[in-house]
Amino acid sequence: DTAVSQTPKYLVTQMGNDKSIKCEQNLGHDTMYWYKQDSKKFLKIMFSYNNKELIINETVPNRFSPKSPDKAHLNLHINSLELGDSAVYFCASSQGAGAGNTIYFGEGSWLTVV
Amino acid sequence: QKEVEQNSGPLSVPEGAIASLNCTYSDRGSQSFFWYRQYSGKSPELIMFIYSNGDKEDGRFTAQLNKASQYVSLLIRDSQPSDSATYLCVSPTNTGNQFYFGTGTSLTVIP
Repeated sequence: DTAVSQTPKYLVTQMGNDKSIKCEQNLGHDTMYWYKQDSKKFLKIMFSYNNKELIINETVPNRFSPKSPDKAHLNLHINSLELGDSAVYFCASSQGAGAGNTIYFGEGSWLTVV
Repeated sequence: QKEVEQNSGPLSVPEGAIASLNCTYSDRGSQSFFWYRQYSGKSPELIMFIYSNGDKEDGRFTAQLNKASQYVSLLIRDSQPSDSATYLCVSPTNTGNQFYFGTGTSLTVIP
């Protein structure tokens, strides 16, 4: 049973299109995240939700809109895709983010915008 | 200054040697640290965590924490080619909202 699962794993799309990535966790965690990993491999936080409430919204273009229908799901919708959006997007979850909590990652979604 | 800093490498060691990966952090209040390993094309996976000053050993891996120097390290003994990956140093923030990630150190173990 995959703890954090995200779909699709690979996505190739044209500039200007709108796409969504879905994420689900079955760990019973309260907190979920979206991270972006660029070609330099740095993991950058985009959003964080705690029990369906948005708690972190980093400097991300408003073309990116997260949605959390319940605490087990956090989806990412991207409007008007641009070439610079090409990256790997990781969904993750943790019980919290203080000491003693561990963050678990999904397998990643490889987005290529052409 | 980034909250968690790592030498990006690449670090190359021969098979069987000890690989030493280092991380410094700026927030003196940080209480726990994690080491994640990320193979190329895969997601990060947890290797070890450490909360207390000193050493913590798990098989071939030893994590070391020195809070006075704000320094965390990961030693890999008897390095194997399968250890070749990027290693990420991670610490939760004091606000409890998220995790600080280092930029990762790329390790190559040469057979």
